Amino acid sequence: AQSVTQLGSHVSVSEGALVLLRCNYSSSVPPYLFWYVQYPNQGLQLLLKYTSAATLVKGINGFEAEFKKSETSFHLTKPSAHMSDAAEYFCAVSQYQAGTALIFGKGTTLSVSS
Amino acid sequence: DTGVSQDPRHKITKRGQNVTFRCDPISEHNRLYWYRQTLGQGPEFLTYFQNEAQLEKSRLLSDRFSAERPKGSFSTLEIQRTEQGDSAMYLCASSLAGPYGYTFGSGTRLTVV
Repeated sequence: AQSVTQLGSHVSVSEGALVLLRCNYSSSVPPYLFWYVQYPNQGLQLLLKYTSAATLVKGINGFEAEFKKSETSFHLTKPSAHMSDAAEYFCAVSQYQAGTALIFGKGTTLSVSS
Repeated sequence: DTGVSQDPRHKITKRGQNVTFRCDPISEHNRLYWYRQTLGQGPEFLTYFQNEAQLEKSRLLSDRFSAERPKGSFSTLEIQRTEQGDSAMYLCASSLAGPYGYTFGSGTRLTVV
């Protein structure tokens, strides 16, 4: 079975500070990993994905994530937070070869203060 | 490409009534997914289709829920005899088969009173 754990349901940072959102996964086979963002009353938007190519993945809006197999982690970072980054962030895992759908974590709410 | 469309955006129904939601995926996407999201939680997988075939259904999905994708294009999700616990946001997504991310619709918010 596959699963995702997002550490910290709420993260608060100041504008311009580093953003770090943590995600650990469990998967019996090499996973595909994704980060999504959700703004209030909207659907989810794909930020970035890891599909067994480069371990450091760059996404939209200045976000990036690093796949670390030894730590079973896929943490999301952004060097400098912007007010518009305030949203809900979800990490998700898939075992495409097994034909399974994405399994999401419970999410982390990011607040950005001025 | 108009993205993934869901209709209606909001639905309020009385307990015990049946409801049906519609999802129109991106036209070239052969996979379509249904998820349910409650407040403070991540999306919970319900079921998915490849073309018109329903390939996977969550074991958590009550038999009051049924989904169809009759011609491999749009899909409907029906909930029979709604209960207050069915109140949630129902999200639809589509993708190509492969290691691709999904494109989500804006969801249908169901409130059962």
